[in-house]
Amino acid sequence: AQSVTQLGSHVSVSEGALVLLRCNYSSSVPPYLFWYVQYPNQGLQLLLKYTSAATLVKGINGFEAEFKKSETSFHLTKPSAHMSDAAEYFCAVIPGSSASKIIFGSGTRLSIRP
Amino acid sequence: KAGVTQTPRYLIKTRGQQVTLSCSPISGHRSVSWYQQTPGQGLQFLFEYFSETQRNKGNFPGRFSGRQFSNSRSEMNVSTLELGDSALYLCASRPGQVADTQYFGPGTRLTVL
Repeated sequence: AQSVTQLGSHVSVSEGALVLLRCNYSSSVPPYLFWYVQYPNQGLQLLLKYTSAATLVKGINGFEAEFKKSETSFHLTKPSAHMSDAAEYFCAVIPGSSASKIIFGSGTRLSIRP
Repeated sequence: KAGVTQTPRYLIKTRGQQVTLSCSPISGHRSVSWYQQTPGQGLQFLFEYFSETQRNKGNFPGRFSGRQFSNSRSEMNVSTLELGDSALYLCASRPGQVADTQYFGPGTRLTVL
């Protein structure tokens, strides 16, 4: 079965520090991978999307993610955290088959320390 | 283009009542999906509609139902509300293909008393 695992339900970093949010997936076929961000009382907003064109994907707000097939990972990074990055982040996968259901991870809440 | 809109944004109901939530997708999008988000269970997929047909369904009881109209607008209905149905209900639309990005609405916050 396809699944998404986000390691760490809560991550806290200092402002200006590196942000690393981990995501591992399982898929029997090449997947499509997404990172979404959710601010309080809002819907989800797409950060970036992997569709096999390039393994390093750049998204909005300075975030990027690298697809590593050998590790079945799609970790999200940002070189320097900003206070406005505090939110919940979701990794998601669509198995690249006829299945059309997107599978979300359980989310990681990112806190930024001043 | 206007984004995904959901109405109402907030709703308070009592146990046993029923509720209907509405979602208007981005113009041109033919697929609408619904999700339930709670602190304990996270994001759970309810169902997806494409061209007025249910294309995918999650593991929710039959009290949860939906439909899609010819203009792609969708409604979700929950009958015989339970306290555990209190959640943020999110709607997302996409053009229609498997790998298309889903765009989310702001959600409807349902509170069941």
